[in-house]
Amino acid sequence: AQSVTQLGSHVSVSEGALVLLRCNYSSSVPPYLFWYVQYPNQGLQLLLKYTSAATLVKGINGFEAEFKKSETSFHLTKPSAHMSDAAEYFCAVSGGEGNKLTFGTGTQLKVEL
Amino acid sequence: DAGVTQSPTHLIKTRGQQVTLRCSPKSGHDTVSWYQQALGQGPQFIFQYYEEEERQRGNFPDRFSGHQFPNYSSELNVNALWLGDSALYLCASRKQGNMNTEAFFGQGTRLTVV
Repeated sequence: AQSVTQLGSHVSVSEGALVLLRCNYSSSVPPYLFWYVQYPNQGLQLLLKYTSAATLVKGINGFEAEFKKSETSFHLTKPSAHMSDAAEYFCAVSGGEGNKLTFGTGTQLKVEL
Repeated sequence: DAGVTQSPTHLIKTRGQQVTLRCSPKSGHDTVSWYQQALGQGPQFIFQYYEEEERQRGNFPDRFSGHQFPNYSSELNVNALWLGDSALYLCASRKQGNMNTEAFFGQGTRLTVV
């Protein structure tokens, strides 16, 4: 079985500051890991995914995440926050290609001037 | 490319009623999954359809059922609605057998049970 834990349901940063959203996973098999973003009244958009290739994954909109097996973590970062980054972010895990996604409870990111 | 389209976008139902939600997958995709997202929660997997058969199922009661048509579109049916079924229902599609394809999500159907 797979699960993810997102630490911090709400994160607030200043525009231009580093964004760090935390995700820890649990998986009985080598995991596939994902970060999705959800804007109000919208579906989910994939930011990036880890599928056992490079441990540092670059995604859209300047986001990246690093897979650390020793820490069972897959934290999402962005060097400089923009107002348009304000949204809810979900970490998800699956047990393999085509398998169901198991999501965390989400982190609401607020970006302040 | 229209992406994943879901209908309706919103609906209100009464307890005990039945509801059908619809999903058209992205062009070229043949696998459809349904998720339930309660307010303030992450999406929860309901089931996945491929080749018109349910392939995986999450921890949802039999009141939740689905169907996939030959054109790959899908329906989610919920019988005997409870207040707790109020949620955003998301459909996701992908191409089976291709390691590099991601799941694309629709904008969802907001179901309110009163």
